[in-house]
Amino acid sequence: QKEVEQDPGPLSVPEGAIVSLNCTYSNSAFQYFMWYRQYSRKGPELLMYTYSSGNKEDGRFTAQVDKSSKYISLFIRDSQPSDSATYLCAMSESGGYQKVTFGTGTKLQVIP
Amino acid sequence: GAVVSQHPSWVICKSGTSVKIECRSLDFQATTMFWYRQFPKQSLMLMATSNEGSKATYEQGVEKDKFLINHASLTLSTLTVTSAHPEDSSFYICSARRVGSNQPQHFGDGTRLSIL
Repeated sequence: QKEVEQDPGPLSVPEGAIVSLNCTYSNSAFQYFMWYRQYSRKGPELLMYTYSSGNKEDGRFTAQVDKSSKYISLFIRDSQPSDSATYLCAMSESGGYQKVTFGTGTKLQVIP
Repeated sequence: GAVVSQHPSWVICKSGTSVKIECRSLDFQATTMFWYRQFPKQSLMLMATSNEGSKATYEQGVEKDKFLINHASLTLSTLTVTSAHPEDSSFYICSARRVGSNQPQHFGDGTRLSIL
């Protein structure tokens, strides 16, 4: 079993839709949770990061962490074609986000 | 925001040659930089952690004599793929953390390495 599981997609949605991206994990020591966006042939771009359980909102993006279920989510409201990319969840145990474990990524396509 | 620059973005070379990839933190100092490798449709796999002024820490299964890492300053780390072969072809990405920061790593745009 992989430490971090993420549905690879692809996920296709119409413009304006609410997108839900999810990851599950098995390591209960993970405390730091991140979401990155990666465009084709580019490095990952940090979108959101949270510590422990709870919600965090930034513009159209909301990150949720449920440590009891070992489940994290990223919601994108009013999705735009420019949101089309691969979204990677990532997690780490230690403070300072040292050794990070990534999910395999979900490819999202927002159709105009 | 924090910016990490990686150079070159794409390199094609013959089998047996050595290739050097640079990773620079442009507007912050980074005592620690990380090198990842990503195969198509797969996630990022950590290869090594580069520490300024000391030896890099390599992940299990990564040949330290093949992937030479040098972190000579607080803003520059280099990865040299020695005697590269076609199986070394991949997307190599570096990341860096700001000194004293409690924020996640920021990534460069990656280097696409193709060995013929």
